[in-house]
Amino acid sequence: GENVEQHPSTLSVQEGDSAVIKCTYSDSASNYFPWYKQELGKGPQLIIDIRSNVGEKKDQRIAVTLNKTAKHFSLHITETQPEDSAVYFCAASKGSARQLTFGSGTQLTVLP
Amino acid sequence: DAGVIQSPRHEVTEMGQEVTLRCKPISGHDYLFWYRQTMMRGLELLIYFNNNVPIDDSGMPEDRFSAKMPNASFSTLKIQPSEPRDSAVYFCASSSGVGNYGYTFGSGTRLTVV
Repeated sequence: GENVEQHPSTLSVQEGDSAVIKCTYSDSASNYFPWYKQELGKGPQLIIDIRSNVGEKKDQRIAVTLNKTAKHFSLHITETQPEDSAVYFCAASKGSARQLTFGSGTQLTVLP
Repeated sequence: DAGVIQSPRHEVTEMGQEVTLRCKPISGHDYLFWYRQTMMRGLELLIYFNNNVPIDDSGMPEDRFSAKMPNASFSTLKIQPSEPRDSAVYFCASSSGVGNYGYTFGSGTRLTVV
């Protein structure tokens, strides 16, 4: 089955700096890669996603890049703010298989 | 829409007792997923349904776990008998079968088995 590895497990940045979280996946048939943000005591919330026919996608301060050849994808957060502090999860799935395989999560802390 | 609704939010039970977790998916979503989250194992898929039919239950840990979806607006996850190692946060999520594959998660049920 699919295996998704996520790095780093913890990340601390100064407010205003950028944060980058990286994931690799094992199944070359995977074609959908979402990112979720989980705040304390809440369920994960979808923040951005990308499909395999696109190399990059941006939404305000958040961007995701995908390298299908290398089987890795990354989340970029620019101009970080304290409210960006949370656990971030990457995930992957194949087209017809709806189930997502999640990475192990990254605890992002934005220091004021 | 109120989102995915899970109940209870917290459950504390004694080892050996039956536990039932409940989920109401978003109206119109035809996929429903049950995940378990622990520090050691992260987010694990237990089972998912499509149009109320179980599609893949290979993640269900053992026969003590069972899940049902009697209609499009309700699903249950049952553990009988419960054990301390079942302590975790259980999430329900739903998604639409058309277009976007993104899940909407509920707030989770924190289960503690003592």
